[in-house]
Amino acid sequence: DAGITQSPRHKVTETGTPVTLRCHQTENHRYMYWYRQDPGHGLRLIHYSYGVKDTDKGEVSDGYSVSRSKTEDFLLTLESATSSQTSVYFCAISESGRSSGNTIYFGEGSWLTVV
Amino acid sequence: GENVEQHLSTLSVQEGDSAVIKCTYSDSASNYFPWYKQELGKRPQLIIDIRSNVGEKKDQRIAVTLNKTAKHFSLHITETQPEDSAVYFCAARGFKTIFGAGTRLFVKA
Repeated sequence: DAGITQSPRHKVTETGTPVTLRCHQTENHRYMYWYRQDPGHGLRLIHYSYGVKDTDKGEVSDGYSVSRSKTEDFLLTLESATSSQTSVYFCAISESGRSSGNTIYFGEGSWLTVV
Repeated sequence: GENVEQHLSTLSVQEGDSAVIKCTYSDSASNYFPWYKQELGKRPQLIIDIRSNVGEKKDQRIAVTLNKTAKHFSLHITETQPEDSAVYFCAARGFKTIFGAGTRLFVKA
C-alpha cells in the first residue's frame, strides 16, 4: 500500500464547527487529492493540489478549502460543517497529473459525521 | 462536462460464474482507464488498468476491454469467488480522473 496516512480516521462534530482533515504521504508524489464518497455517487473530487501552494477546485468544492504548505501534507478544512458534509473522505495521491498510466492511490479514509 | 456512467449498481452471480461490469465515458480525450475494488470499510484499491492504445489486458482471473469508438470499457471476472464480493469502480482519465458510481458485486456461494 502507498504511504498515505489520514487523520483523524473517525470524527463526530457539531453543525457550524470547523473541521480539518489531514493527509500525509511518504511517497513524494506531486499530486494530492481529496474525494468524498457517498452512496450512489461514487467518488467525487473536492479539491486537488499539483504542488506546494498550488491547488484547484474539483466538482464539489463548495464549503471546503484546502492548503498544502509541504509536499507531504494536504489539509482539507470545512469552515462551518453542515449535515450534508457527513461523508467518508479519502485522500489520494498520484505521481503526476495528466499522463497516461498515472495511477491514483487512496488513503484509508476519514469517516466524518456532522450532527 | 465529463461523465463516466457505470451501468449496473448491483450485480449478483453464482460462485464460479463470470461477472462483467461495463462503463461508458464521455470525454474523447480520456486515455487511461483504471478499475478499483473496494471492500466494506476499506479504501479503493487498483486491480487493473488499461491505456487507450490497448484493447484488452488480462491479469489472472480479471481482464479489462476497451472500445474507444463506442467509448466504453468493461471489467471481466472469471471463475468468481466469494472474496470477489465488493464494490467495483471504473474511472476514466482525460484532464481529470472521473469515477463511476460503483457496482456492488455479490458472489453467492
